[in-house]
Amino acid sequence: GAVVSQHPSWVICKSGTSVKIECRSLDFQATTMFWYRQFPKQSLMLMATSNEGSKATYEQGVEKDKFLINHASLTLSTLTVTSAHPEDSSFYICSGRDRDSYEQYFGPGTRLTVT
Amino acid sequence: ELKVEQNPLFLSMQEGKNYTIYCNYSTTSDRLYWYRQDPGKSLESLFVLLSNGAVKQEGRLMASLDTKARLSTLHITAAVHDLSATYFCAVIGAGKSTFGDGTTLTVKP
Repeated sequence: GAVVSQHPSWVICKSGTSVKIECRSLDFQATTMFWYRQFPKQSLMLMATSNEGSKATYEQGVEKDKFLINHASLTLSTLTVTSAHPEDSSFYICSGRDRDSYEQYFGPGTRLTVT
Repeated sequence: ELKVEQNPLFLSMQEGKNYTIYCNYSTTSDRLYWYRQDPGKSLESLFVLLSNGAVKQEGRLMASLDTKARLSTLHITAAVHDLSATYFCAVIGAGKSTFGDGTTLTVKP
């Protein structure tokens, strides 16, 4: 199957700093990328949907000024958590939807810990 | 708003036994997925079901879809310890996936 990579795989940062997470589709072109957040022992919650070259669509309750999403190319999307706080600590998973097959492929996740 | 409900949420079973996990969803959808997640890991795709009556099997897992009842099942046959994980169903609606709450399966010897 198609491969999605995320970088970094885990990050620890101090409260008040910003963290950028990269999501790349390695062998397919993703017109749409999804960003999810997963708290311990909970399901995946969709944060936002981004289409290449346009602004992201955020789910209700997700602050767009805090979680900045950029999808500048068909193979790269980034999520920046600005002014991170301990409550932002979570497992962030991106997913790319293949332009041709319409299938969705998930990245390995990034574990963010804010101290 | 699309809602996806799984049950049970937690399941402990002995090796060699059979069990079924259920996934109900609230609105019409054209595809349903089953995923496996191990602790600390991302999702591993197990099955995609595209049409009413679809049945797929891989090893000890078999998934089925009844679009009229808006119900999918994941059946486990003769469980083994390696199947211990959390299983999610996800339904596509309005161009995005909505996940169930997950079923955490523990298989005991």
